[in-house]
Amino acid sequence: GENVEQHPSTLSVQEGDSAVIKCTYSDSASNYFPWYKQELGKRPQLIIDIRSNVGEKKDQRIAVTLNKTAKHFSLHITETQPEDSAVYFCAAGMKTSYDKVIFGPGTSLSVIP
Amino acid sequence: NAGVTQTPKFQVLKTGQSMTLQCAQDMNHNSMYWYRQDPGMGLRLIYYSASEGTTDKGEVPNGYNVSRLNKREFSLRLESAAPSQTSVYFCASSERGLREKLFFGSGTQLSVL
Repeated sequence: GENVEQHPSTLSVQEGDSAVIKCTYSDSASNYFPWYKQELGKRPQLIIDIRSNVGEKKDQRIAVTLNKTAKHFSLHITETQPEDSAVYFCAAGMKTSYDKVIFGPGTSLSVIP
Repeated sequence: NAGVTQTPKFQVLKTGQSMTLQCAQDMNHNSMYWYRQDPGMGLRLIYYSASEGTTDKGEVPNGYNVSRLNKREFSLRLESAAPSQTSVYFCASSERGLREKLFFGSGTQLSVL
């Protein structure tokens, strides 16, 4: 079955620097790749997603890149701010007999003022 | 417009006790889900309901049952709680399917002693 790995598990950056989180997936049938942000004690919230027919998507300070050949995708956050501190989850989704989305284990990002 | 509401927020059970987690959404979504979140393991799908009147097993269904009461409500039942079911539980919904934006409830922190 699908397996999603995520690195690093923890990441600390200085405010204003960039942060990059990388994920790999195992099933080449995956075609949907969302990223969720979960602040401490809060619910996960979708911040950006990408489908397999595009290689890159941007939304203000965040961007996601997808390399289907290598089966990996990455989240890039530029000009980090303290409010970016959270756990970030990547996921990979496909259509089988039902919609299947497997989440990675998460990356805890700390932005140091 | 409350989004996804789940109750209770916290619960402590003894091994062997039963309980039901309640979830309701007011966004007229077709699909609803129950996830559990454990440290270092991301979000794992327990059960889902693609549409009113249907329910199916996800990745980790053992020890749980669900009921899609109507389009708005989707409950999760633990018949005989075990310590391995200590976790944070999230209900979620989407318009149709997992390969689109999921809206999560605020979570239930369950401890089984």
